Amino acid sequence: DQQVKQNSPSLSVQEGRISILNCDYTNSMFDYFLWYKKYPAEGPTFLISISSIKDKNEDGRFTVFLNKSAKHLSLHIVPSQPGDSAVYFCAAGDSGGGADGLTFGKGTHLIIQP
Amino acid sequence: EADIYQTPRYLVIGTGKKITLECSQTMGHDKMYWYQQDPGMELHLIHYSYGVNSTEKGDLSSESTVSRIRTEHFPLTLESARPSHTSQYLCASSARSSYNSPLHFGNGTRLTVT
Repeated sequence: DQQVKQNSPSLSVQEGRISILNCDYTNSMFDYFLWYKKYPAEGPTFLISISSIKDKNEDGRFTVFLNKSAKHLSLHIVPSQPGDSAVYFCAAGDSGGGADGLTFGKGTHLIIQP
Repeated sequence: EADIYQTPRYLVIGTGKKITLECSQTMGHDKMYWYQQDPGMELHLIHYSYGVNSTEKGDLSSESTVSRIRTEHFPLTLESARPSHTSQYLCASSARSSYNSPLHFGNGTRLTVT
């Protein structure tokens, strides 16, 4: 059973517009969330994170919003640039959990069109 | 820059062969992880280590084994490769709990077992 869901396998956005990537989770124990970006033939790289005590975190063009009651988070990229074309993974973790690993979604392939 | 290295990048091998996937990091991180990812699917944690001589199995059952004799080195071994082992294997490390220290990933090893 998937605990972290990214329901859009792909998303196409025009350059300069806003990209919104969505992620839903089911495990109430998750208390921190991260977004990773992955280019082909490379490993994922960390993009931005948010803990459950916040509802928004911003870093340059990237903003992550967390709605705990809806168990939903989203990543906003404004403005979108060609280099943003990549697969974006949502990940969640439980700081009190034993494995200390992250649970990942299946990813959303973002395509920025010129 | 790549502070975590995985070799080989690509490997095609026949059924029944023993293989070792190498992972080394130069950041002095105590925590290291192995994830497995199939195309279009989420990353699954298969092994992790909190330090030298510490190894644990992750959420996804795997027939592979790992060792942690040195802080910087976390190899993964398959004693007898099978076609079902065909996948991408990603190694990662972090300085502390991934709650406050994001995972750094290597570029992965894409394994094909024929």
